[in-house]
Amino acid sequence: GIQVEQSPPDLILQEGANSTLRCNFSDSVNNLQWFHQNPWGQLINLFYIPSGTKQNGRLSATTVATERYSLLYISSSQTTDSGVYFCAGTTSGTYKYIFGTGTRLKVLA
Amino acid sequence: DVKVTQSSRYLVKRTGEKVFLECVQDMDHENMFWYRQDPGLGLRLIYFSYDVKMKEKGDIPEGYSVSREKKERFSLILESASTNQTSMYLCASSLNRAGEQFFGPGTRLTVL
Repeated sequence: GIQVEQSPPDLILQEGANSTLRCNFSDSVNNLQWFHQNPWGQLINLFYIPSGTKQNGRLSATTVATERYSLLYISSSQTTDSGVYFCAGTTSGTYKYIFGTGTRLKVLA
Repeated sequence: DVKVTQSSRYLVKRTGEKVFLECVQDMDHENMFWYRQDPGLGLRLIYFSYDVKMKEKGDIPEGYSVSREKKERFSLILESASTNQTSMYLCASSLNRAGEQFFGPGTRLTVL
């Protein structure tokens, strides 16, 4: 199966800073999602982004499926952005999402 | 908005007990999933259902069974709970089999 690597594993920011989270896949992906896991454990959908670029407020994401990576941009970070960010993807012929090990973000006031 | 709910946020059970975890979605999704999440191991798929009464094993089905009698409800059953099943259990649903998945709030199960 595909391997999913996320970087960095941990990130500490001051409030207001910008950041880029990266997700690398060992094979081409057909479907890709980004999630934020809040302190209570719920996975919140950020983007469903098999390819291209999407923006939602201070967050945006870009997926280049042929080069097997996706980026999540967080601008003007806030303390409420703290938590763990996961990417997950599927490859051709399978419905199973494979999840990365996550990037743990802490935003300091 | 898609809403996925799970029957309990926290659950404490004894070794050997039969445990039922319930998941309900309100968006008429065909597909439902059960995952468990453990530190250092990430999210792992336990079982998947693509239609009523249909199921497929995921990556770690041992010790678990599932039931899907109605489209909106997917139950995970621990036939005889063991301490190594202490974990966070997450339910998800999607319209298409490999489409966007939506997750419930999770159930933190502790087996003593």
